[in-house]
Amino acid sequence: EAQVTQNPRYLITVTGKKLTVTCSQNMNHEYMSWYRQDPGLGLRQIYYSMNVEVTDKGDVPEGYKVSRKEKRNFPLILESPSPNQTSLYFCASSFLRGVQGPYEQYFGPGTRLTVT
Amino acid sequence: KNEVEQSPQNLTAQEGEFITINCSYSVGISALHWLQQHPGGGIVSLFMLSSGKKKHGRLIATINIQEKHSSLHITASHPRDSAVYICAVLLTGNQFYFGTGTSLTVIP
Repeated sequence: EAQVTQNPRYLITVTGKKLTVTCSQNMNHEYMSWYRQDPGLGLRQIYYSMNVEVTDKGDVPEGYKVSRKEKRNFPLILESPSPNQTSLYFCASSFLRGVQGPYEQYFGPGTRLTVT
Repeated sequence: KNEVEQSPQNLTAQEGEFITINCSYSVGISALHWLQQHPGGGIVSLFMLSSGKKKHGRLIATINIQEKHSSLHITASHPRDSAVYICAVLLTGNQFYFGTGTSLTVIP
C-alpha cells in the first residue's frame, strides 16, 4: 500500500530536550516536505527536499533541522524544542514534474507535538 | 504576509446544494493545489492545476492565471463532503504557501 508514515503520532516533551520525528514513504518520490499546522495560521512549510542530499528552507525553518540521506526518509529534528513549536506536524511526498515542481502530494497522518 | 486568501472561512450548506470555495493569490505561481482535510485530521490532495479546469466526480476545480484566482466547486453536496478545504500555491522555487482553509458543513 502506497503510504507516508510518521512516528511518533503523539509526543509530549519538555523544553530543550532534543527530539526527532521520522517520516518515510514507499513510493520512490523525489519531493518530500515538512509542514506545521496551527489554528488561525493554517499549514506552513518548514523544509522541503527535491532529492537525496538536497534540502531547502520553507517559510518557517527556524528551530528545525532536516536531513535526506536516503530517498525514502526525511526526518525532522528539533534540537532544542520550545513551547512555540507545539503544533501538528505533517510530512508529505510527491513525484517531481521535471522543472515544473511537485505533483499532488501524499500526506502522512500527522504528529501532534506538545512542548512544555 | 497573506499570499493566499480563501473565502468563505466557514460555509454551511443543505445536502444537494452547489458549493463554491474561492482562492485568490498575490504571487506568481507554477501550480495551485486543492486539499481536503477530514475531521479526523488526515489530508488528501484533490487537484493540482496549472491552467483551465479539472473534474473528478462531483468536484470541479478551475483556475484563472491572469486574475490569480481559483475556485473549487462541489455539485450535489453530501454530508460526507463536510471537511476543511485548503488552497495551496506552488511558487517557482518549489515552495508552498497555503490558505487558512474553508470549513464546510453539509447538513442532511
